[in-house]
Amino acid sequence: QSVLSQPPSASGTPGQRVTISCSIGSSSIGNNYVFWYQHLPGTAPKAVMYRNNQRPSGVPDRFSASKSGTSASLAISGLRSEDEADYYCAAWDDSLSGWVFGGGTKLTVL
Amino acid sequence: QGHLVESGGGVVQPGGSLRLSCVASGFIFSSYGMSWVRQAPGKGLEWVASIRYDGSNQYYADSVKGRFTISRDNSNNILYVQMNGLRPEDTAVYYCAKDDLPVAGIGLTGFDSWGQGILVTVSA
Repeated sequence: QSVLSQPPSASGTPGQRVTISCSIGSSSIGNNYVFWYQHLPGTAPKAVMYRNNQRPSGVPDRFSASKSGTSASLAISGLRSEDEADYYCAAWDDSLSGWVFGGGTKLTVL
Repeated sequence: QGHLVESGGGVVQPGGSLRLSCVASGFIFSSYGMSWVRQAPGKGLEWVASIRYDGSNQYYADSVKGRFTISRDNSNNILYVQMNGLRPEDTAVYYCAKDDLPVAGIGLTGFDSWGQGILVTVSA
């Protein structure tokens, strides 16, 4: 089992709300912050959420996130075509003394 | 935020070495932790290594520990990763990334600026 588990894919139509989950499979991550990144192939990744639910400047408020216990999630409301990308959750693992990324979720806007 | 530009990538034979550089501008480099993150073809993002703002501590993924060395030159605003004993599975686009908070503890900051990435191919 991956330390951070994400569904491989998600989809929605324009205007819909989509949620991407991130299951935390290690107690050594449990109390640490979760971060979310958006990545379009061939481009630099972009942070869309810091520290569980802090939105970076420039990220629209359509993006929100939460963390509770062993799960975290990223929600995108008012889905737009430009939201189509791969999304990764990440967290620091105290046992590994390193960052762990989830496997990524490919979001398709239908 | 900041601007990051990687260089030094290319094709290398298994067992060979490469040194990647990341030149930083637009922020006080010596105040921010830095990291390397890679993406192998068809795979997801994988953290490689991080270094604290003052170079006092380095952290490595198990997959590169003992083979890669992260370092920084705060006088010239450059981040490095020396990669030795390269393996085919190290083939990836390598990104350098900057912490979003200055002088912060490890694990408390995200990465707010990323380079455009540099391709490293390990093949005979």
